[in-house]
Amino acid sequence: QIMLTQQAESLWISPGERVSITCRASQSLLYTDGKHYLSWYQQRPGQTTKALIYHASVRTDGVPTRFIGSGSGTEFTLSIEHVQPEDFAIYYCLQTLKSPFTFGSGTKLEIK
Amino acid sequence: QVTLKESGPGILQPSQTLSLTCSFSGFSLSTSGICVSWIRQPSGKGLEWLATICWEDSKGYNPSLKNRLTISKDTSNNQAFLKITSVDTADTAIYYCARMRPGRLDYWGQGVMVTVSS
Repeated sequence: QIMLTQQAESLWISPGERVSITCRASQSLLYTDGKHYLSWYQQRPGQTTKALIYHASVRTDGVPTRFIGSGSGTEFTLSIEHVQPEDFAIYYCLQTLKSPFTFGSGTKLEIK
Repeated sequence: QVTLKESGPGILQPSQTLSLTCSFSGFSLSTSGICVSWIRQPSGKGLEWLATICWEDSKGYNPSLKNRLTISKDTSNNQAFLKITSVDTADTAIYYCARMRPGRLDYWGQGVMVTVSS
């Protein structure tokens, strides 16, 4: 199965700063349609899990423009510019290229 | 407006069968390209994909659960189901259902807590 590694278990930053969360796949997530099957999700206590980014860089409807997905092949990044108080949460990457679909272990964004 | 809501037994004993229901609105599981997935999360831990069923009735399962999973759907009543046989304490988790479109799980339910205990 494809393994996804989120190296950072936690990241401490101050509101207003920029942060990048990385996700590394054990094999390329590029499909023959030219799209990468890597998506990003946000989990906040008391809220439903929220889809942020799909196909590595496409923002889901309604997601603020400060959330930016980038990367290709096996290396992907979720960047958040000017972090807001509501962005302190846990972020997961997910690959849906091949079954079994697999998640990264998660990165918790914490207030410095 | 797309919504999903999971329901389940709450507590069950080891070796029993866990039956979960995902009731949804705002979309149809008969629409081309639409699927529903089940995911679980033990307390304080990460997410694990379990199974997916799609509009044309294709299904996918996580082999780590060794043939214990059965996913099904009732398109007329906008529901999807998951059964897990022979549960044990390791199956204690929050279980989520989510709508799946190509490349993403775009809407999630709030999750239902399931505890396996004797």
